[in-house]
Amino acid sequence: EAGVTQFPSHSVIEKGQTVTLRCDPISGHDNLYWYRRVMGKEIKFLLHFVKESKQDESGMPNNRFLAERTGGTYSTLKVQPAELEDSGVYFCASSQDGGGNEQFFGPGTRLTVL
Amino acid sequence: AQSVTQLDSHVSVSEGTPVLLRCNYSSSYSPSLFWYVQHPNKGLQLLLKYTSAATLVKGINGFEAEFKKSETSFHLTKPSAHMSDAAEYFCVVSDWVGSQGNLIFGKGTKLSVKP
Repeated sequence: EAGVTQFPSHSVIEKGQTVTLRCDPISGHDNLYWYRRVMGKEIKFLLHFVKESKQDESGMPNNRFLAERTGGTYSTLKVQPAELEDSGVYFCASSQDGGGNEQFFGPGTRLTVL
Repeated sequence: AQSVTQLDSHVSVSEGTPVLLRCNYSSSYSPSLFWYVQHPNKGLQLLLKYTSAATLVKGINGFEAEFKKSETSFHLTKPSAHMSDAAEYFCVVSDWVGSQGNLIFGKGTKLSVKP
């Protein structure tokens, strides 16, 4: 069974540019989560999809971040325009059920904004 | 609010000696607690989880953790460290206040294993 995959693994962009991160969850997992780790800080929750619906987006830092999950399969996270403080590692996770069950994580996308 | 505190940012042990990574949690509810590990350039992998069954939880690779409600602790242990255990370890609580168990992470503990 394929795990959670994320693309790209690394992205280096300049301040003001746009970047789109992609996450492919494990097939059949309705729940998809995005997390972010800014350097030196803990991993923090960004948002949670159940199928194609946003269940909770309370962790999204501001309106420069837009997440989508059209069709309830893969998800994208777009940052537009990117700022220096957006640099970090973005993790995606998926689970079959919510409610405290195991979440399977992807390897992350390391975003550097110069 | 729920939270976890990992008491050590770095732990260094010699190969073959015991490992202790400390974690304290704060939760108004009966918590679900996890330990995840991240090896370099890899995704986060679940080591073990506690979900109100047995208080001593056994995980993969010889790790175990004991849930102690009186001490609000969930320390991770292993009797004998192996070089391959060198990684970053995260203590995690499931956020029942939010929807459907979003995870709240500690800051992580980097484990070094000396030959």
